Formats: sequence, structure tokens, C-alpha cells
Amino acid sequence: ETGVTQSPTHLIKTRGQQVTLRCSSQSGHNTVSWYQQALGQGPQFIFQYYREEENGRGNFPPRFSGLQFPNYSSELNVNALELDDSALYLCASSLVAQHTQYFGPGTRLTVL
Amino acid sequence: GQQLNQSPQSMFIQEGEDVSMNCTSSSIFNTWLWYKQDPGEGPVLLIALYKAGELTSNGRLTAQFGITRKDSFLNISASIPSDVGIYFCAGLSGGAGNNRKLIWGLGTSLAVNP
Repeated sequence: ETGVTQSPTHLIKTRGQQVTLRCSSQSGHNTVSWYQQALGQGPQFIFQYYREEENGRGNFPPRFSGLQFPNYSSELNVNALELDDSALYLCASSLVAQHTQYFGPGTRLTVL
Repeated sequence: GQQLNQSPQSMFIQEGEDVSMNCTSSSIFNTWLWYKQDPGEGPVLLIALYKAGELTSNGRLTAQFGITRKDSFLNISASIPSDVGIYFCAGLSGGAGNNRKLIWGLGTSLAVNP
């Protein structure tokens, strides 16, 4: 059974740029959730995708957007990057019926 | 964003000691989860609790879903150096169908002195 994978592992961008982060869900999982984790904080829910549609969103502005593909993999896109967007971005997959989420290793984004 | 009250914030213990940490909320949850996160990595699920009053063990770890559904506890017995890390509680919020999300505590940082 393949676990959740994310790419890239690290990324450095400058303010105003755009970034795309990728996630492959655990085999058989149809739901993907994205989280932002600032240093010393718990993960903050960005949004969740189920069957290629957004299915719940946290308190993040519209410049945070996402996609889910037919194979259940997912992308997180962030436009007009700000310094405060620097964080570890975590992807978690789950079977919708169980809701228990399994996390990938994360992508460390640094905005300069 | 909304977060749970998790305590203590940090612990420094001797190898072999038992550890207790807890998580409280003003809201009711239907599921409590406990995760461990090592530096630079994603959280790893330790224990999932689905029923009020439930007591579940995973090796040296034991967690309980509080009767009021507003709290949960995690105990680690006979700690070892590899227990070092940050432990997070998370509660699954209510809502119909798929419209549910995890609410997280701020974490308990555990250091173990060999």
C-alpha cells in the first residue's frame, strides 16, 4: 500500500509569485485535505476535495485554490504569494466514510 | 482559525517515565484523533477514537474519548527516546456528510532525557 506523497519537498519563492504543490493520495482514498502549518502551530485547514470538487473550506482567501484529478491526486495553488504564506503545507488523504486522515511529509514553502 | 486547548505545551521527562497529555474543547466532537509529528515531517496517526468513553491502546500508548465528548487524553507509558516529538490532538467537527473538518490542538512538545 502506497502512502501519501507530496512534491516538491522544499520550495523558495518571492513575494507576488505563484506556486503549485502536488499530492498523491494513499491508495484507495478518495478524499484529499490540505493544511497550512506555520512554525510552532498546529495545522490549519485550507480545503478538502472529494470526487474532484471542493468539499469544505477553511478561513483562507480565494488566492488559495485547488484541484483534484480523477485518480484522486490533488494540487494546491497559491497566487500572489505573501511573506506570511511561508509554512509547511500538508496534504492528507482519507476514505470519506472513515474520515481518519493520513498525512504526507509536507512541502516546506519559503516566501522571500 | 479554531483550535483546541491542548496541555501541557511542553514536557521534559526522564526515560522510563509515564506521560499524560490532554485536549479540551468547548464543542462536541464525534471523533478524536491523536497524531505525532517529527521535525520537518507530516503528522503520523497514533490512535483514533470514535465513541464517547472509548479507551484504545496502541502499544505503550493509550487514549480515551471523554464521556462529555469535549475532551480526550493520551498516555504514554515507559517513555523511550524515540517518543520525542510533537503530539497533536484533533477533533472531527460535526456537519452533514462530507462537510466535516479536523480541528487541531497546538501540540505538546515532548523531550525525553535518556
